[in-house]
Amino acid sequence: QITLTESGPTLVNPTQTLTLTCTFSGFSLSTSGVGVGWIRQPPGKTLEWLAFIYWDDDKRYNPSLKARLTVTKDVSKNQVVLTMTNMDPVDTATYYCAHRVPYDGNWDGGSLDYWGQGTLVTVSS
Amino acid sequence: DIQMTQSPSTLSASVGDRVTIICRASQIINNWLAWYQQKPGKAPKLLVYKASTLEGGVPSRFSASGSDTEFTLTISSLQPDDLATYYCQQYNGHSTFGEGTKVEIK
Repeated sequence: QITLTESGPTLVNPTQTLTLTCTFSGFSLSTSGVGVGWIRQPPGKTLEWLAFIYWDDDKRYNPSLKARLTVTKDVSKNQVVLTMTNMDPVDTATYYCAHRVPYDGNWDGGSLDYWGQGTLVTVSS
Repeated sequence: DIQMTQSPSTLSASVGDRVTIICRASQIINNWLAWYQQKPGKAPKLLVYKASTLEGGVPSRFSASGSDTEFTLTISSLQPDDLATYYCQQYNGHSTFGEGTKVEIK
């Protein structure tokens, strides 16, 4: 059974760096074809894909946010970490991590079959 | 970026009705399209991937079709549990999502 859980701060000051951790079980990020994605959703708005990281350490980023994003993995801990620099109030959103359907789509994208419950991050002073 | 346009933005129908949601892409996306259902306060749930492949465990009243730039999600007989917002996602390259279709029960 695949589960994912996001953790991190609920409140971030403007200009600060956000660090979120996705802890997962039921799969390994050392298995060929496996990837984990980050997606966010501002209150009342649609979803926005942020990044993917793959078993082979390939990383893909949303071009509009690439300069601010970094994604890393720790295979031994079954964790993926997302950092986003220079946070702004417009970055207020629920942030989700999700398991990518293996080999569905090219490596820049993919469908997501298991999602964490999400964590609401508010950017405010 | 590939833009995804969903219609309608809101849909009100009765239990048992057949409902259809349309998603149009700004360019051909080679059937790299997924549909998600999101209930209030919950994470999205994958319903369909590769334009028409139903995810395991999804009720058979859901179906999807389409190609190139136009895609549809159909609920053959609307149930109270289908109250949700539905999103399409293209992944022919960097992923983008539609604006969502809110399904209400009359």
